[in-house]
Amino acid sequence: EVQLVESGGGLVQPDRSLRLSCAASGFTFDDYAMHWVRQAPGKGLEWVSGIGWNSGGIAYADSVKGRFTISRDNAKNSLYLQMNNLRPEDTALYYCANSGGGSYSGQPFSSWGQGTLVTVSS
Amino acid sequence: DIVMTQSPDSLAVSLGERATINCKSSQSVLYSSNNKNYLAWYQQKPGQPPKLLIYWASTRESGVPDRFSGSGSGTDFTLTISSLQAEDVALYYCQQYYTSPLTFGGGTKVEIK
Repeated sequence: EVQLVESGGGLVQPDRSLRLSCAASGFTFDDYAMHWVRQAPGKGLEWVSGIGWNSGGIAYADSVKGRFTISRDNAKNSLYLQMNNLRPEDTALYYCANSGGGSYSGQPFSSWGQGTLVTVSS
Repeated sequence: DIVMTQSPDSLAVSLGERATINCKSSQSVLYSSNNKNYLAWYQQKPGQPPKLLIYWASTRESGVPDRFSGSGSGTDFTLTISSLQAEDVALYYCQQYYTSPLTFGGGTKVEIK
């Protein structure tokens, strides 16, 4: 059974940093691209960032470019999101998701975690 | 960026009746070299993460009931629930995975009338 378990969320002040993690199991991690998708309270889905199977391809939404960094450790079956210079508008539930094919585009998101909540407030 | 526009924002349908959700992309998501539309539909129930229903615009994910169907090509797509069941109450999102940034529609809330 595929499992994606996010952690690292919490309450953080504006301009501070936070690192999210996603532990994956139940599938061959390095066969899949991985993504972060967020959902602000009561709002829709926003793709944040994606990373290819070997970290060779990485992309970000314009809203986070230059502030967030996605990475993965295939040996640990883990995905990360380093979030710097956080803003109140980054407040959201952050999901990790996987997609087949190895590249961050070209495949739908087949499995999702339950999400970790990030609240940016003073 | 490819903008995905869904309509309606919400709809209320009687049990057993048909529900239709539309999704329009600002540019084609049909890749000519393989003739595939890079369009997916997701269902999100309250308090749950999204779940993949349909991909390549019309292929049902394993385990998805056949009352769910997807159609369309290029820039115009439709998700149809042929006979609405109580468990289908949810938000539905379309998504293009053709090119970065990967983008979602704004969502359609389906309720029981």
